[in-house]
Amino acid sequence: DGGITQSPKYLFRKEGQNVTLSCEQNLNHDAMYWYRQDPGQGLRLIYYSQIVNDFQKGDIAEGYSVSREKKESFPLTVTSAQKNPTAFYLCASSIERDYGYTFGSGTRLTVV
Amino acid sequence: GESVGLHLPTLSVQEGDNSIINCAYSNSASDYFIWYKQESGKGPQFIIDIRSNMDKRQGQRVTVLLNKTVKHLSLQIAATQPGDSAVYFCAEIFLGGNQFYFGTGTSLTVIP
Repeated sequence: DGGITQSPKYLFRKEGQNVTLSCEQNLNHDAMYWYRQDPGQGLRLIYYSQIVNDFQKGDIAEGYSVSREKKESFPLTVTSAQKNPTAFYLCASSIERDYGYTFGSGTRLTVV
Repeated sequence: GESVGLHLPTLSVQEGDNSIINCAYSNSASDYFIWYKQESGKGPQFIIDIRSNMDKRQGQRVTVLLNKTVKHLSLQIAATQPGDSAVYFCAEIFLGGNQFYFGTGTSLTVIP
């Protein structure tokens, strides 16, 4: 079955550490996205990529980095520069920019 | 209804009743709108979408109404079931500006 997979489901990070969240899709979608979700708030766009080897900053890119070396994969690194990283992170993909989103099941990151 | 604050609006309904969830959007030029359902700890799932040139669209047990005059979107769920308990949020998409905005959501609780 086609879908989008995020791993791990839960992730704990010590302050000052970088961590990488995985996102893989086998839907043959060109576009991929990373969102952050905080309690009581809507989804906020961190980064998006419309094609391999290209990505753009979203609304809250500071403290995050991404890569898009393969069409299927769009990992997100939460760096130590992100001062408030505890949140629920959602990856999504779409056939084309902003149409027909499919979401992953999310990764909950907690700083300890 | 929709809120841009930190508090998630809540709606409680009896099983079997109809539910109406509201969303106010901001951009009168938005091209289409999507309703998502998000269960606790999971990624959002697509429910139904509607193009800006439509007023109403029906799916299985769900109906979306679009009132462009007052920039208001609603999701009606018929014969609400316990499995409908989740957070529902709308998204507005403005293709010309590559803008895709998510609302904060409404938490629906179905009382058996």
